[in-house]
Amino acid sequence: GAVVSQHPSWVICKSGTSVKIECRSLDFQATTMFWYRQFPKQSLMLMATSNEGSKATYEQGVEKDKFLINHASLTLSTLTVTSAHPEDSSFYICSVAPGNTIYFGEGSWLTVV
Amino acid sequence: AQKITQTQPGMFVQEKEAVTLDCTYDTSDQSYGLFWYKQPSSGEMIFLIYQGSYDEQNATEGRYSLNFQKARKSTNLVISASQLGDSAMYFCAMREGTNEKLTFGTGTRLTIIP
Repeated sequence: GAVVSQHPSWVICKSGTSVKIECRSLDFQATTMFWYRQFPKQSLMLMATSNEGSKATYEQGVEKDKFLINHASLTLSTLTVTSAHPEDSSFYICSVAPGNTIYFGEGSWLTVV
Repeated sequence: AQKITQTQPGMFVQEKEAVTLDCTYDTSDQSYGLFWYKQPSSGEMIFLIYQGSYDEQNATEGRYSLNFQKARKSTNLVISASQLGDSAMYFCAMREGTNEKLTFGTGTRLTIIP
């Protein structure tokens, strides 16, 4: 069965608005979750590490004020894209690591129009 | 330098044949993990197989196996008896030390021909 669930799968929003994407760990308590972004025809790039009960750790070049991450419980991390612009259109996907294996959510396709 | 290198942008393979997808990596850590994922057009990342740096045996999972050559820093994925449903992007990825975050290669698009 699925280990990670992500919602929504698809979202279209207007430029300037904010969008929230949820990542839920289904089978275990995740103190850490990871958010990746994938542009068309490219590979996955890590955006940030979501830490339960504390601030997220962002990779170099990722705007922390634009991509707000909240990890309020051991099973839920949220990514909010604030003041979205067309260049933020991408595939966003989260991961969790129960043991050696790393599992990903289904991913969320964001289109900003 | 690239940490994960996948040199095959695309491959076409006849159905039922075996296919090998190449992956080399670069790390100074003694402890690391190597992963392969399948990404169909829907976008989801499907975990296929894992190899730890200290594992002495090559990992196998059903039709998937790894040809892990530590000295050469390569971990090639072998898919036996390919099926049409194997057509997808395949990514090799690495975790270094105890870190749970992954570095990905650029991927290989595999197309199985009937």
